[in-house]
Amino acid sequence: KAGVTQTPRYLIKTRGQQVTLSCSPISGHRSVSWYQQTPGQGLQFLFEYFSETQRNKGNFPGRFSGRQFSNSRSEMNVSTLELGDSALYLCASSLEPSSYEQYFGPGTRLTVT
Amino acid sequence: GQQLNQSPQSMFIQEGEDVSMNCTSSSIFNTWLWYKQDPGEGPVLLIALYKAGELTSNGRLTAQFGITRKDSFLNISASIPSDVGIYFCAGQGAGGTSYGKLTFGQGTILTVHP
Repeated sequence: KAGVTQTPRYLIKTRGQQVTLSCSPISGHRSVSWYQQTPGQGLQFLFEYFSETQRNKGNFPGRFSGRQFSNSRSEMNVSTLELGDSALYLCASSLEPSSYEQYFGPGTRLTVT
Repeated sequence: GQQLNQSPQSMFIQEGEDVSMNCTSSSIFNTWLWYKQDPGEGPVLLIALYKAGELTSNGRLTAQFGITRKDSFLNISASIPSDVGIYFCAGQGAGGTSYGKLTFGQGTILTVHP
């Protein structure tokens, strides 16, 4: 069974631009969570989607948004990029929402210049 | 918000040595988890703990869920070079706005010298 896939793997953007990251969960998994990983703040929860609905949200500004499609694939969007948004963005999928058993993808490394 | 204090931040050990790391929190968690992250990859779940006081093993790994539900430790016995990586503890929220969310520790960077 294929694992969680994320595209693109690497991305360079400039301040003020927006970016969209994509995540395809493991087949059969209906819940997708997004995390931001930085050296200073570690792994921080962004949001969780299940059945195309946001179920849970972390403490991030409104510039960070996401959505989930009917096939469980998910995208996250960051608008008006700031230097501090440079991070590894990880997606994790699980069978059900709020499950501890999450399987992570390899991440998208975003660099904002 | 909830925070996990993970220690040590880094460890340099010789192959064959045992390793111990721990996490503490001011909040109660329903579930404690331990993950390992290799360079260029996402974290991989190693052990999940559900009950206070629970002790669980996975090969050379042993983890315990503290009685107060506010702490956990991970031991690795007889370390080998492939144990190198970053180890994270994570707690799953017990209730309120934290329910179901994973909160991660800052990670322990493990280096194993052959």
